[in-house]
Amino acid sequence: QQQVKQSPQSLIVQKGGISIINCAYENTAFDYFPWYQQFPGKGPALLIAIRPDVSEKKEGRFTISFNKSAKQFSLHIMDSQPGDSATYFCAVPKSGGSYIPTFGRGTSLIVHP
Amino acid sequence: DAGVIQSPRHEVTEMGQEVTLRCKPISGHNSLFWYRQTMMRGLELLIYFNNNVPIDDSGMPEDRFSAKMPNASFSTLKIQPSEPRDSAVYFCASRTGAYGYTFGSGTRLTVV
Repeated sequence: QQQVKQSPQSLIVQKGGISIINCAYENTAFDYFPWYQQFPGKGPALLIAIRPDVSEKKEGRFTISFNKSAKQFSLHIMDSQPGDSATYFCAVPKSGGSYIPTFGRGTSLIVHP
Repeated sequence: DAGVIQSPRHEVTEMGQEVTLRCKPISGHNSLFWYRQTMMRGLELLIYFNNNVPIDDSGMPEDRFSAKMPNASFSTLKIQPSEPRDSAVYFCASRTGAYGYTFGSGTRLTVV
């Protein structure tokens, strides 16, 4: 059973600040590590994902940093905006023949104006 | 592309009643997943289908839960009889290829 530890559970930052969310996992047979973003009343939506052949991937203000040896990856949100206020989930695949992720417990991010 | 469509958006029912949740996946997506989201347990996978065939239902909590996918464009999750502890948001998701999911907007179920 894949264990996924996501932290912090909640995060409050000021507009323009940096938000950092971390995810640690045990083992995986797949090389795909995504972050999902969920707004109230909506389903999670894929935000950004990384393959561990690189240590970092950037898309606009969102960056994933990956540390394969430590079995950790993190989401950095630069210049955080009130519109980024949402719940963020990391996902790590279970072992097995096809990609089925285990989701972290989520991080509730609030960005104050 | 209308995305993954779930109905109803909200359902309030009395304990003991049968509840049916519906999902229309994105056309061309060959895998479909049912998840349950609660504060206590987070996002839990209940069951998933590949090409309309149930592959893993180990997450279905009890025999009161059942799911079907009669064709590539429709799936149902049924709870009979429903109990208050079944109250949660139920999500359907679909995908094509190996990785990225597309979730629906969910059905918020309240059993009183």
